[in-house]
Amino acid sequence: QQQVKQSPQSLIVQKGGIPIINCAYENTAFDYFPWYQQFPGKGPALLIAIRPDVSEKKEGRFTISFNKSAKQFSLHIMDSQPGDSATYFCAANQAGTALIFGKGTTLSVSS
Amino acid sequence: GAVVSQHPSRVICKSGTSVKIECRSLDFQATTMFWYRQFPKQSLMLMATSNEGSKATYEQGVEKDKFLINHASLTLSTLTVTSAHPEDSSFYICSARKDRANEQYFGPGTRLTVT
Repeated sequence: QQQVKQSPQSLIVQKGGIPIINCAYENTAFDYFPWYQQFPGKGPALLIAIRPDVSEKKEGRFTISFNKSAKQFSLHIMDSQPGDSATYFCAANQAGTALIFGKGTTLSVSS
Repeated sequence: GAVVSQHPSRVICKSGTSVKIECRSLDFQATTMFWYRQFPKQSLMLMATSNEGSKATYEQGVEKDKFLINHASLTLSTLTVTSAHPEDSSFYICSARKDRANEQYFGPGTRLTVT
């Protein structure tokens, strides 16, 4: 499988902080880059996704930044809350193929 | 829209028995379904891809005779873990896709414990 490399592995921020999670990919054919949020014992839930024709996308408190030349994309969570404490996965694919996931980032937001 | 269900949500079975997990797309037709496996504190690892009416394609290292996948209709795929052993204990998650789109819709997962 083509890799998607995610960092950091874990992250601790205070309430109101802006955690940033980074991902890098190898396959230039990838054309879809989603972020998923997963709580313990639950399936992953789509947060936000971006395609390579835009450099940034915002949905509520979540923003994806995309750098096509560097083959990197990142998730920013504005005004983080304790309820955002979860594991976040980046992923990527090209149409017709399965999503490939990063290793995940465990985020802890302290109150 | 785009809801995927899994049944059961958790199952405990004895070593040597077989377990079937169902994945259903509730409000759309899924031409392709995927099965992932997730160990504690790890990422989702793709096990296999199934297209309605054809044989599943398994990822390298996944035993197709152990993990039987059937995608008999556009709304249902099943994963049967045959002769389960404790090392098969894991969180199994399915996802479904419409046509050849990028987006995949994930089910809530099934926790399998083999004793």
